[in-house]
Amino acid sequence: EVQLVESGGGLVQPGGSLRLSCAASEFTFSSSNLNWVRQAPGKGLEWVSYISGSSSTIYYADSVKGRFTISRDNAKRSLYLQMNSLRDEDTAVYFCARARYIYGRETFDYWGQGTLVTVSS
Amino acid sequence: DIQMTQSPSSLSASVGDRVTITCRASQGISNYLAWFQQKPGKAPKSLIYAASSLQSGVPSKFSGSGSGTDFTLTISSLQPEDFATYYCQQYYSYPLTFGGGTKVEI
Repeated sequence: EVQLVESGGGLVQPGGSLRLSCAASEFTFSSSNLNWVRQAPGKGLEWVSYISGSSSTIYYADSVKGRFTISRDNAKRSLYLQMNSLRDEDTAVYFCARARYIYGRETFDYWGQGTLVTVSS
Repeated sequence: DIQMTQSPSSLSASVGDRVTITCRASQGISNYLAWFQQKPGKAPKSLIYAASSLQSGVPSKFSGSGSGTDFTLTISSLQPEDFATYYCQQYYSYPLTFGGGTKVEI
């Protein structure tokens, strides 16, 4: 069964940094495209970033562009999100989600359980 | 960016009811529309892709329809495990965007 397990969340002060990880198992990691999605407390889902299997294609939401960096290590079967210059509004549960290519576009099929990031002084 | 608008934002229903949730895109997205279910404190679960195709393992009581800008998710006979929040999402173009969610309550 496909598994995605996030880690690295915690409490950080505004302006600080944090690095999230997502460990994957039971699928061909290097050929799978991945995303980060977040959810602020009591709010809806917000897509954050996308990375292709070879890391050749990367996208960011405007709200994190220039502050967050997505990356992956295919040898370690891991996805990362480096978050810098954190703001209060970045407080959220962060999920990694696998993308599946169907009928010309990529949709999510599997999600991790999420890791909570709290930005507060 | 493509805006996704869901309605209603919440609804009350009973076990056995047929429930319909609508989702509207601010521009045409063909059928690149997905639906997700989320229970409190849990990760979202993928239900439907391509507007009407069920993800593997999803029961047939869930169905989706629509194309272009208007879409619906229908639950044919609501069961206790179906009480959750449902989100639509367009994957026609980046940035990917979600609807605001529909909370289905007793």
